[in-house]
Parts: sequence; C-alpha cells; structure tokens
Amino acid sequence: GEQVEQLPSSLIVQEGASVLINCSYTDSASVYFPWYKQEPGKRLQFIIDIRSNMERKQNQRLTLLFDKKTKHLSLHITATQPGDSAIYFCSARNNNRIFFGDGTQLVVKP
Amino acid sequence: DPKIIQKPKYLVAVTGSEKILICEQYLGHNAMYWYRQSAKKPLEFMFSYSYQKLMDNQTASSRFQPQSSKKNHLDLQITALKPDDSATYFCASSQAWGLRGQNTLYFGAGTRLSVL
Repeated sequence: GEQVEQLPSSLIVQEGASVLINCSYTDSASVYFPWYKQEPGKRLQFIIDIRSNMERKQNQRLTLLFDKKTKHLSLHITATQPGDSAIYFCSARNNNRIFFGDGTQLVVKP
Repeated sequence: DPKIIQKPKYLVAVTGSEKILICEQYLGHNAMYWYRQSAKKPLEFMFSYSYQKLMDNQTASSRFQPQSSKKNHLDLQITALKPDDSATYFCASSQAWGLRGQNTLYFGAGTRLSVL
C-alpha cells in the first residue's frame, strides 16, 4: 500500500522564521494530497491541499509545492507565529483511502 | 461549535471488556470514517462508510465493528479489549466518498482509550 513519509519529525524555530516540511509518497496512483494541522489537544484541521495536476498552491502564508516525477511535496510556512505551533500531517489519497505521514511537530518560540 | 461530536473524550477499560465509541456529525456529510492514532503508528485508516454502507475496511480484527444507526452516526464497538488497543480514535466525515467528490476530511476531537 501507499507509504507517506515526512521530514523532519520536529522543528523548533523563532517567531518570524520560515519553515519547510518535506513529504514523500510511494504510489504513483495517489492523486490528491491534503495537509492537516493538529494543535495540542485539538482535532486535526485541514489547511491546504493539492492535486496531482498542479505544481503549486498558495494559501496566505502557506505554499505547497508538488513534484509528480519525484513523488515529493513540500509545505513552506512563512512568517511563523506561536499560533502555528502544531503537528503538521501530510497525506495522500489512494484508492479512496487517505494515508497519513507520521507528522512534523513544529514549535514556534515567541 | 464542533460539528463532529465524539463521546466520551476519555475512556478507561479493562482487558477483555467491550466499549462503544460514539460519533455524530452535523455537517450534512454522506461519508464517515474511523482513524486510530497511537504512539506506535501514525494516523491509521480503519473504516469508511458512505450512506451507512461499509465501503472500505483496513482493520484486520473482527473485534472492531462500526455501527451506523443513522446517516450522521458512525459508532465503533470494540470487543475483547487488549492493551494494544490503547490509542486515540478519531471519527471523520467528508461530503462524499470516493475520488470524484469534495473529500476534505473533517475530524472529531477524538476518544482517548486506555486499556489496562
């Protein structure tokens, strides 16, 4: 089945810094890639997605890049704020299932 | 206001017992799901339902049985509980099931199950 990997597993940055979260998948049949954010003690929330016919998508301070050839995605967050502290999950939709990565824990220090 | 309600928030059970995890969604969605998150594994798909019909099942054990009494309900019954079942169980829903629909998942807050 599909396998989704995320790197790094954790990040600690100062407020205002930019961060990059990398994600890779294995199955070329995956066509849809939603990302979710889980703040401490809260539910997962959808933040941004991209389909395999796109290369880039931006939503305010979030930019998602997709490389179909290398099966790689990267989430860029600019001007980070303490409120961005959360676990970020990459996922891939394959055969009507969504497979999640292990998550990247981001800590933004004020 | 949370639109996907999971009950209870925390659950402690003894090995061998049976528990039911409740999930109700008020988003008008047609598809519902169960996921499990534990320290050992990432967020793991368990079941998907569409219009109260089982569409997909990743869980190997028959001890896990989803129950859908209404379109917006998908409970999870777990029998003969084991310590390895300890995890946070998330219910989710989406507008539709399958690749054609708007399939962003909306998650509940989870039920944290501890089996002693």
